[in-house]
Parts: sequence; structure tokens; C-alpha cells
Amino acid sequence: NAGVTQTPKFQVLKTGQSMTLQCAQDMNHEYMSWYRQDPGMGLRLIHYSVGAGITDQGEVPNGYNVSRSTTEDFPLRLLSAAPSQTSVYFCASNRATGKHSPLHFGNGTRLTVT
Amino acid sequence: RKEVEQDPGPFNVPEGATVAFNCTYSNSASQSFFWYRQDCRKEPKLLMSVYSSGNEDGRFTAQLNRASQYISLLIRDSKLSDSATYLCVVNSRDYGQNFVFGPGTRLSVLP
Repeated sequence: NAGVTQTPKFQVLKTGQSMTLQCAQDMNHEYMSWYRQDPGMGLRLIHYSVGAGITDQGEVPNGYNVSRSTTEDFPLRLLSAAPSQTSVYFCASNRATGKHSPLHFGNGTRLTVT
Repeated sequence: RKEVEQDPGPFNVPEGATVAFNCTYSNSASQSFFWYRQDCRKEPKLLMSVYSSGNEDGRFTAQLNRASQYISLLIRDSKLSDSATYLCVVNSRDYGQNFVFGPGTRLSVLP
């Protein structure tokens, strides 16, 4: 099993450009989520999904869009990149059942917006 | 007050030392608790879940005090490979998504 796979690993964008960060998992997890990590701060939830066709906003959703058409895939779209979106982005998945269902992370996308 | 707070660190300890990390959480409805480790420029990886009765995994011991809303991680006989940032993570729901991450505590184990 590959687990959670994110692409690309690195990306540089100009302000105003759009792009999609890809995330796929092969563990048949119901839940998927996107986090961003900035220096000195904990990971913050951007958007999450509890199943195909269902998405919801997290703590910092502005400027991002998601969709969940299949259980496996959960892409994150930046609509019009801004320098404030320079960050490391992590996709994660976990099982729906069980109190102690931990998050499994992809290896991250480092995004720089100039 | 932040929802999850951790020792600010960094902790610099010699090999073989015992080190303890503390974490407090503000949401009394929190249901599940985890410690993750994160190496520089890598993704967080699950170190251990934290159970009400406390649990141990080799050199690592985690404790939970629900009354005080406090979680701890003890590392015995530190190895150089333990150098990383340790993240305290709390989920306030039985099922689903309200994981809140602490800012992390950095550990450097020195030879």
C-alpha cells in the first residue's frame, strides 16, 4: 500500500495563478482532510470530507476549494494564489469508526507564492 | 487561550537521558489523544495513541489526566534518532474530524 500520496512535492506560483494539489489514498479511509503548516504554528485544518460527495470547511478555508468525487481522491484547489498561502500543505486520511482513529499523512507539498 | 498547548522547547538532552513533554488541552469534550513526531521537512507520523489508563510502547510512555486536561509523553534512554518535533494532537469527537494540533516541542538528543 502506498498510503496517502500527494503531488506535487514542490510548487512555485505567481500571485493570482490557480493550481490543484492532488491527494490520493489507497487505504479505503472514509475521511480525508487538508492541513497547512506554517512556522511556529500547529497544523490548521483547511477543508475535510467525511465521504464521497461530502465536504466541509475547517479553520482556514478561504481561498481554497475542494471536492470529493471518489473515496480515494481529495484534490485541493487554490483559486487565485496569494503570498499568504505560502505554506506546507499536508493531506491526511483516517477511518470513520473508532475513537482512536489516527490521521495518516501524505508527505506534503511545499508551496511558494511570489 | 490556545486549544492545545505544549512546552515551548527546544529540549536539548544528552543521549541516554529521560525527557518528558507536557501538553494541555482546553476542550473538556475531547475524546481521543495522540502523540505524533515530525522530522524536519517531513510529514507528521503517529508515535502513539494515548489511552485513559496510560500506555507504553518500548521506551515511550504516554499518560492522560482527563480531570486536569493534561497529556504527557515520557521518553526513556533517549537516542539520537529521537531528535524531532513532537506534536500533541486532540480530537474532540468520537467519530470524525476535529483534530487540533499543538505547536510542537522540538527535541534534540546530543551525542
